[in-house]
Amino acid sequence: NAGVTQTPKFQVLKTGQSMTLQCAQDMNHEYMSWYRQDPGMGLRLIHYSVGAGITDQGEVPNGYNVSRSTTEDFPLRLLSAAPSQTSVYFCASSTRASNTGELFFGEGSRLTVL
Amino acid sequence: QQQVKQSPQSLIVQKGGISIINCAYENTAFDYFPWYQQFPGKGPALLIAIRPDVSEKKEGRFTISFNKSAKQFSLHIMDSQPGDSATYFCAASIAGNTGKLIFGQGTTLQVKP
Repeated sequence: NAGVTQTPKFQVLKTGQSMTLQCAQDMNHEYMSWYRQDPGMGLRLIHYSVGAGITDQGEVPNGYNVSRSTTEDFPLRLLSAAPSQTSVYFCASSTRASNTGELFFGEGSRLTVL
Repeated sequence: QQQVKQSPQSLIVQKGGISIINCAYENTAFDYFPWYQQFPGKGPALLIAIRPDVSEKKEGRFTISFNKSAKQFSLHIMDSQPGDSATYFCAASIAGNTGKLIFGQGTTLQVKP
């Protein structure tokens, strides 16, 4: 039961570097989303997708880019890392077929930007 | 602007006691209110959820109370156990199943043996 898989689990970057956080789900869910978790701030939505080829911005999209070429994958790109992007990032998926609206989260990717 | 406000930030309860976490929201278009539980090093997981057409929902030791007129909802954990020690997030969304949730700030619960 893989569910939602995120890689890497830990990453350290220098300011200005770029990188991609990978997210894959094997549940054939239509919806996928990226959140960042910061102390005292809860989880904030970065970008989300309602299906392959369709993405939209969430609350805090600046500095991040996404694409959704397949149902399974939803990578998050940091274009030019900044210390303010130090956070724990969570990918989640869900399906319109669910009557609970449940989001299934990955285990997170902890990013430190120096 | 925090659309969902959660309190307290942290909570310590004795084993067997009642844990109460409160949330308030502003957007009257919200129509789905879940609670998520997160253990250290893990992603959040759905605990219990409610829609505004009911005032209370109970699942085992966990109960959501919902007050639509006050725009508030709360989580009650009865007979709290050390295994309930975790971070709890309330959340809200419009047209629940789109994967877009607005989360509260989180409450770290510690249940002492």
